[in-house]
Amino acid sequence: DAKTTQPTSMDCAEGRAANLPCNHSTISGNEYVYWYRQIHSQGPQYIIHGLKNNETNEMASLIITEDRKSSTLILPHATLRDTAVYYCIVRANSNSGYALNFGKGTSLLVTP
Amino acid sequence: DAGVTQSPTHLIKTRGQHVTLRCSPISGHKSVSWYQQVLGQGPQFIFQYYEKEERGRGNFPDRFSARQFPNYSSELNVNALLLGDSALYLCASSIQPMRQGNYGYTFGSGTRLTVV
Repeated sequence: DAKTTQPTSMDCAEGRAANLPCNHSTISGNEYVYWYRQIHSQGPQYIIHGLKNNETNEMASLIITEDRKSSTLILPHATLRDTAVYYCIVRANSNSGYALNFGKGTSLLVTP
Repeated sequence: DAGVTQSPTHLIKTRGQHVTLRCSPISGHKSVSWYQQVLGQGPQFIFQYYEKEERGRGNFPDRFSARQFPNYSSELNVNALLLGDSALYLCASSIQPMRQGNYGYTFGSGTRLTVV
């Protein structure tokens, strides 16, 4: 699976958009980008995933660059409850196994 | 609907002992995965089971074993506990192993294991 690089930490003011970047320069054509988050003392929570097109759901938007070497998770109106560690994961098809390879993620702090 | 249920929530064991952690997946989910999360790190994959068969195994020693029962619940067993086994153990369930394009796994809140 392709390796991902994320900033260690970020801050965001409540009500503003939080933009979390992820670099995955070695991504291959069949690899999806997944985002999970983990709020303190809870298990990781699925947010969104995509292959090449931008995706949006009720939680967030995922913007993937045209060359697919990087992506951005956007929380449009961050709230205090969005404070969490956000993981960007790139994984290939099932022949490489079914594991999710979490890195250290980005610790997002949303402030009042 | 109940989510992924793990028991116990907290556990303290002594070095050399063994431990059994339990996981009940969401109703209808047939795949269960186990992850270990050491403080300050992201979760690390240990095992995945689907239809009672092991479908994946991470880079963990043979002291770690697991099984899945006919009702799709699962147990993670760790023998000869070491101090370094202290971690949050997470269980995740899905309808089937997460193939490309499927929605993600649903995780439980984990079992906090402390080895002293």
